[in-house]
Amino acid sequence: DGGITQSPKYLFRKEGQNVTLSCEQNLNHDAMYWYRQDPGQGLRLIYYSQIVNDFQKGDIAEGYSVSREKKESFPLTVTSAQKNPTAFYLCASKGSSNIQYFGAGTRLSVL
Amino acid sequence: GESVGLHLPTLSVQEGDNSIINCAYSNSASDYFIWYKQESGKGPQFIIDIRSNMDKRQGQRVTVLLNKTVKHLSLQIAATQPGDSAVYFCAENMGSNTDKLIFGTGTRLQVFP
Repeated sequence: DGGITQSPKYLFRKEGQNVTLSCEQNLNHDAMYWYRQDPGQGLRLIYYSQIVNDFQKGDIAEGYSVSREKKESFPLTVTSAQKNPTAFYLCASKGSSNIQYFGAGTRLSVL
Repeated sequence: GESVGLHLPTLSVQEGDNSIINCAYSNSASDYFIWYKQESGKGPQFIIDIRSNMDKRQGQRVTVLLNKTVKHLSLQIAATQPGDSAVYFCAENMGSNTDKLIFGTGTRLQVFP
């Protein structure tokens, strides 16, 4: 998966609980991204970060939060405000080219 | 709104045949396009890209064609193999000032022996 590690592979969330998905890259890429993928659909952008200590909302940021304290790490928190969190979450990073490289994903389900 | 879409949600081909996956885009300002392959339960894998100043680009067994006049993108896979079975996404970058990609909904390619 090109040096991008997502963990855990599977995650279960209880109602009212916040959960955090990890994304780490060793590619020395400046930009990192979080996408949500629902069954049979394309990828929708949640948040992205072009540089350390900076991030922007994507198209579906409500109910999610992120931080970018280190270049190699871009964790995503799915908060209790996200009422429909069940999905496949994908993290990507991008260096000097326009190509985004993806991790293997985290599948989040609600108990 | 601006979107990237696909003409065929599922494409079934016989092993050894050529496959053509199509994609329509609506934003004439898009200057960069990517094709990704996603196998079940995995993250998307980069296949090939093309800039808007090109009409064609070839890789190993794959060719991407860009027709800016009709805003159409296609991915051609030569001698399709069972390992090519996956969902294929096109994505566009809408100009050099943005770092974001917009993805289409995907086409599932099924390869039969």
